[in-house]
Amino acid sequence: AQSVTQLGSHVSVSEGALVLLRCNYSSSVPPYLFWYVQYPNQGLQLLLKYTSAATLVKGINGFEAEFKKSETSFHLTKPSAHMSDAAEYFCAVGIQGAQKLVFGQGTRLTINP
Amino acid sequence: DTGVSQDPRHKITKRGQNVTFRCDPISEHNRLYWYRQTLGQGPEFLTYFQNEAQLEKSRLLSDRFSAERPKGSFSTLEIQRTEQGDSAMYLCASSLDGQATRGYTFGSGTRLTVV
Repeated sequence: AQSVTQLGSHVSVSEGALVLLRCNYSSSVPPYLFWYVQYPNQGLQLLLKYTSAATLVKGINGFEAEFKKSETSFHLTKPSAHMSDAAEYFCAVGIQGAQKLVFGQGTRLTINP
Repeated sequence: DTGVSQDPRHKITKRGQNVTFRCDPISEHNRLYWYRQTLGQGPEFLTYFQNEAQLEKSRLLSDRFSAERPKGSFSTLEIQRTEQGDSAMYLCASSLDGQATRGYTFGSGTRLTVV
């Protein structure tokens, strides 16, 4: 069964520092992978997606993620953190042609001034 | 395109009462999804519709839960005889048939508190 594991429920970085949020997936078939961001009391906004095209995927707000099949990973990075990046981030794997999403437990990102 | 709308944004109810939530998807989207998110967790799939047909229901959707999409447009999620364990954020999302790989569009959710 497909699943995702997000390593680290809470990540704290300084403003301007590199952001790295880790996601490992388990899938018996080529996966569809997504990163979503959730601000307090809001729904989820799609940051980026991997759908078997380029392994390095660029998303909104300066985020990108690299699909590494050998490591079954899809880590999210941003070169320079901004205060507005503080939010909850969810990695998800799409199953049944991405008609259902299985989410990780989320990583809360805190940005220190 | 006004996005996915959910109503109400917040609902506080007493245990044992029935509640109903509404979701209005993006108008041209024929697929509609319901997810539930409890505090500190990622969203969990509940059910999804293609037009008015409910194609799949999760085991999380007990017989106290029912979802409808009568005309293939808006959807309602009803919880009967609410329990404290039902307290959660209920998220609705929509997509175009065959384009779920592009990612869904989520609404802002309805936060249910059962007291």
